Amino acid sequence: AQSVAQPEDQVNVAEGNPLTVKCTYSVSGNPYLFWYVQYPNRGLQFLLKYITGDNLVKGSYGFEAEFNKSQTSFHLKKPSALVSDSALYFCAVRDLLNYYGQNFVFGPGTRLSVLP
Amino acid sequence: DVKVTQSSRYLVKRTGEKVFLECVQDMDHENMFWYRQDPGLGLRLIYFSYDVKMKEKGDIPEGYSVSREKKERFSLILESASTNQTSMYLCASSSRGELGYGYTFGSGTRLTVV
Repeated sequence: AQSVAQPEDQVNVAEGNPLTVKCTYSVSGNPYLFWYVQYPNRGLQFLLKYITGDNLVKGSYGFEAEFNKSQTSFHLKKPSALVSDSALYFCAVRDLLNYYGQNFVFGPGTRLSVLP
Repeated sequence: DVKVTQSSRYLVKRTGEKVFLECVQDMDHENMFWYRQDPGLGLRLIYFSYDVKMKEKGDIPEGYSVSREKKERFSLILESASTNQTSMYLCASSSRGELGYGYTFGSGTRLTVV
């Protein structure tokens, strides 16, 4: 079965410090990996994706993510955190086995708190 | 600016009521989805529609039904609302076959059943 794990419910980081939000996945075949962010009482917004090519992908708001096939990980990173980055972050992988490949499997989410 | 619009941001309904959640997209997407979001559980798929009048049950369809009479509109129906359906409901759409693209989400409807 396709699955996504986000091992940390909560990540706290001081403003200006680097941040990492972890994601590991289990899929059959090549993974289509995404990160989304959710601000309070809002829907999810796309941050970045890995489909193929360079293992380091860059996205919105200065975020980047590193795809590691051997560790089946897709960790989200940012060199210098801002208070405004505080939000709920979801890792997702396209489910190619069910729903005609049109659905995503989401991780449980990681709440990031950036402290001033 | 392309978007997915959910008709209500907040709803409070009584147990046993029939509840309609509406979602409209303006991107001509074939696929539309309804998820519910609960703390620690992430997003769980309720129903999926890949074309007008076509629907598939997701992982947690019990107590819900859907309607897609027009391509741009996907409605979620709670036939008889119960307190365990108190949750955040998210609608999303995507283009069929575009595996390299993700979803566009609506802003969500926070439903409270009392």
